[in-house]
Amino acid sequence: AQSVAQPEDQVNVAEGNPLTVKCTYSVSGNPYLFWYVQYPNRGLQFLLKYITGDNLVKGSYGFEAEFNKSQTSFHLKKPSALVSDSALYFCAVTTRVLIYNQGGKLIFGQGTELSVKP
Amino acid sequence: KAGVTQTPRYLIKTRGQQVTLSCSPISGHRSVSWYQQTPGQGLQFLFEYFSETQRNKGNFPGRFSGRQFSNSRSEMNVSTLELGDSALYLCASSPRSAGDNYEQYFGPGTRLTVT
Repeated sequence: AQSVAQPEDQVNVAEGNPLTVKCTYSVSGNPYLFWYVQYPNRGLQFLLKYITGDNLVKGSYGFEAEFNKSQTSFHLKKPSALVSDSALYFCAVTTRVLIYNQGGKLIFGQGTELSVKP
Repeated sequence: KAGVTQTPRYLIKTRGQQVTLSCSPISGHRSVSWYQQTPGQGLQFLFEYFSETQRNKGNFPGRFSGRQFSNSRSEMNVSTLELGDSALYLCASSPRSAGDNYEQYFGPGTRLTVT
């Protein structure tokens, strides 16, 4: 069965320090991987995605993620955290087969609460 | 290009009532997916519509239903509301193609509170 794991419910970082939010996945076939961010009482905002190409993907607001096929991971990173980065982060996965055969179903992790303190 | 819109943004209903939520996808997008978000269960897939046809349905009771119109706008309906239906309901639209530009764009959500 397809699944996504975000092993940390919460990540605490001091402002200016690098941050990492972890994500591992399990799917059959080549994954389409996404990171979304959610601020309180808001919808999901797209950060970045990996579908094909370079394993290091750069996205919005200075975030980046590295696709590691052997470790089935797609960790989100930022070199220098800001207090305004504090939010709930979701990793999600799908595949080409899932898109065509099962419609637009993204499989989400449980989310990681990122807290950046000044 | 306008984003995904959802109406209403907030709803308060009582147990036993029914509710209809609306989602307008990004222009040109024909696929609309619905998700339920709760603190305990996280983000759970409800169903997906493409060209007015339901292509996939998540593990939810029959009280949850939906439809899609010819202009790709979608509605979801929940009948006989229960307290546990209180959640943020998110709608996402995407293009048909599963190519390199594939992405799901989410709306702001409808916050449903059942009392």
